[in-house]
Amino acid sequence: DAMVIQNPRYQVTQFGKPVTLSCSQTLNHNVMYWYQQKSSQAPKLLFHYYDKDFNNEADTPDNFQSRRPNTSFCFLDIRSPGLGDAAMYLCATSITTIPGSNQPQHFGDGTRLSIL
Amino acid sequence: AQKITQTQPGMFVQEKEAVTLDCTYDTSDQSYGLFWYKQPSSGEMIFLIYQGSYDEQNATEGRYSLNFQKARKSANLVISASQLGDSAMYFCAMRERSSGSARQLTFGSGTQLTVLP
Repeated sequence: DAMVIQNPRYQVTQFGKPVTLSCSQTLNHNVMYWYQQKSSQAPKLLFHYYDKDFNNEADTPDNFQSRRPNTSFCFLDIRSPGLGDAAMYLCATSITTIPGSNQPQHFGDGTRLSIL
Repeated sequence: AQKITQTQPGMFVQEKEAVTLDCTYDTSDQSYGLFWYKQPSSGEMIFLIYQGSYDEQNATEGRYSLNFQKARKSANLVISASQLGDSAMYFCAMRERSSGSARQLTFGSGTQLTVLP
């Protein structure tokens, strides 16, 4: 089945130690998104790639970076994780469509990041 | 102003009963789409149902239906015959024409539904 895969499912890192989360997709969608979701809150968009074009949300901290080496893969790099970065990180994909299209964003299962 | 408002932080429903989860939205776009997602405690976001702004019929998908009232800007999710597996967080989300070609979603704050045996 075509899908969005996030690895690892759980990630533990130390305060200040760089960490990379990965996302791959077999849907061949041209848009990929990274969301941060803290407990009992809505997902918050960090950035997205439209093909190779990177789009950062205005309030995304500089500590968060992303790479998309090809259509299938997208990485989230946290350069110096702080305790406040502990959260679920969700990757999603979509195809560009007319606004009224019924194509949803397809989400991975998420990576739950803990900071020690 | 909030673009998506879910006023029920938590809801309880008896198994086999129907439940309605509220969602109101705010947009000046004529063309937009409304989505409902389910998020179990394991974390994955599962797409449930979609309603387009130009759709004349209310959307239905199995036990899920959407009560779309465009003039009131509401898109409530109705779950019929609730099951224990329906216990989860439910998010309403909107995609607007003005969100650009990448079609970002704006999420509400969610409703935690608990189905009681």
